[in-house]
Amino acid sequence: DAMVIQNPRYQVTQFGKPVTLSCSQTLNHNVMYWYQQKSSQAPKLLFHYYDKDFNNEADTPDNFQSRRPNTSFCFLDIRSPGLGDAAMYLCATSRAGGPEEQYFGPGTRLTVT
Amino acid sequence: GQSLEQPSEVTAVEGAIVQINCTYQTSGFYGLSWYQQHDGGAPTFLSYNALDGLEETGRFSSFLSRSDSYGYLLLQELQMKDSASYFCASPLRGGGNKLTFGTGTQLKVEL
Repeated sequence: DAMVIQNPRYQVTQFGKPVTLSCSQTLNHNVMYWYQQKSSQAPKLLFHYYDKDFNNEADTPDNFQSRRPNTSFCFLDIRSPGLGDAAMYLCATSRAGGPEEQYFGPGTRLTVT
Repeated sequence: GQSLEQPSEVTAVEGAIVQINCTYQTSGFYGLSWYQQHDGGAPTFLSYNALDGLEETGRFSSFLSRSDSYGYLLLQELQMKDSASYFCASPLRGGGNKLTFGTGTQLKVEL
């Protein structure tokens, strides 16, 4: 009965080699979010979708892109990963107008070698 | 802008009561959420206070005072499994569907 699923759970990529992380949800929520979280820090919002409307955070590097082909799926593309991009990437969903209660996936731990 | 400040670390013994505070500064305010995150795990929603006062959910309670720009999470009958990070978070006024997270508090429960 998993509600927000992320694959893979662990991803190792090489410096500069593009990588894609995926997220799917069974909650039928309108809003999907991608967060980056580094050790001992709060989750940092990268961008979010309200349905197909894409909302980028001003300080999200251009290196990070996202796609949402349908309600259920959302992808995070890192075009040229740097060592500083090693982090936990969290996908979350919420109902429209209900950002206070977000449902998080288990995360993908990205290692850059 | 919006910022939410929390103590970085709190330590308590099993069976005790602990309070995790959150003070905020914001040009607009809707309410305050609380999330729990175990090491290596995902944040899990605990509660949301839209109104002033105390909300109780089992061993956990959350309080909000808008006049003091302050809230707290109260954990009773602490258990070892409560050792985790706790984040307060607030929806952004005019920010659509976004949350701003607090700085986070690492709770350590000892025997």
